[in-house]
Amino acid sequence: AQSVTQLGSHVSVSEGALVLLRCNYSSSVPPYLFWYVQYPNQGLQLLLKYTTGATLVKGINGFEAEFKKSETSFHLTKPSAHMSDAAEYFCAVSEAFYGNNRLAFGKGNQVVVIP
Amino acid sequence: DGGITQSPKYLFRKEGQNVTLSCEQNLNHDAMYWYRQDPGQGLRLIYYSQIVNDFQKGDIAEGYSVSREKKESFPLTVTSAQKNPTAFYLCASSLPDRDTGELFFGEGSRLTVL
Repeated sequence: AQSVTQLGSHVSVSEGALVLLRCNYSSSVPPYLFWYVQYPNQGLQLLLKYTTGATLVKGINGFEAEFKKSETSFHLTKPSAHMSDAAEYFCAVSEAFYGNNRLAFGKGNQVVVIP
Repeated sequence: DGGITQSPKYLFRKEGQNVTLSCEQNLNHDAMYWYRQDPGQGLRLIYYSQIVNDFQKGDIAEGYSVSREKKESFPLTVTSAQKNPTAFYLCASSLPDRDTGELFFGEGSRLTVL
C-alpha cells in the first residue's frame, strides 16, 4: 500500500524567507502526488499535483514541487513566505492510474510565518 | 456553484448516542469518501464508495457506518461503538478518472463528545 512521510509537524519560517516542506512517498506503482493546504476549521484545498509529464509542477499562491523518482520525493517550495501562507500542508499519494483513487496522506506540516 | 456540502459544521453529542453527518455533492462525481482528522495524525480513511449502492471499508471503519442510496449523498453515522469519536470529519468526492486522482473536499464537520 502507498504511504507518505512528512517530517517536522511544525515548521517556522520568517516572512520573506524560503518555504520548504519535505515529502517522501512509498508506492509500488508510478504514483500520482498531491499537496493540499488547510486553513483552520476548513476543508482541504489542492495546491498542486503531479500525474505524468514535467516533473516540476507549479501550483497556486506561488508554490511549486518537484517529483524526483530516484529519491521518492515530492518536496514543496515557495521562494518567499507571506503571512497568508500560515496553514497546515498535507502531502498525499494515490495509485489512481491503476484504478485506486484512494489517497494516502502524510501527517501534515503546520506552517507558522514569523513577521 | 458546484461543490460539497457537509452539515452540521459543529455537533455535540453525549456518550452512547449515535450521530449522522451529512455529505451532499453536486459535482456529479461517482466516488465519495469519508476521512477522519485528528491533530498530528493527518487524514485517515473511514469509508469510501465508488458507485451508488456500493461502499468499502477504509483503514478505520470500526464504529462507523455509511450508506450510498443516491449519487449525490454519502452520510456517515458515528455509532456508540466508536470509542473515541471526537474529531474533525471530512467528506470528499472524485471522478473515476485515471488521469487526475484529485479529491475535492467539503468544509468539514467537527464532532465533540461530551
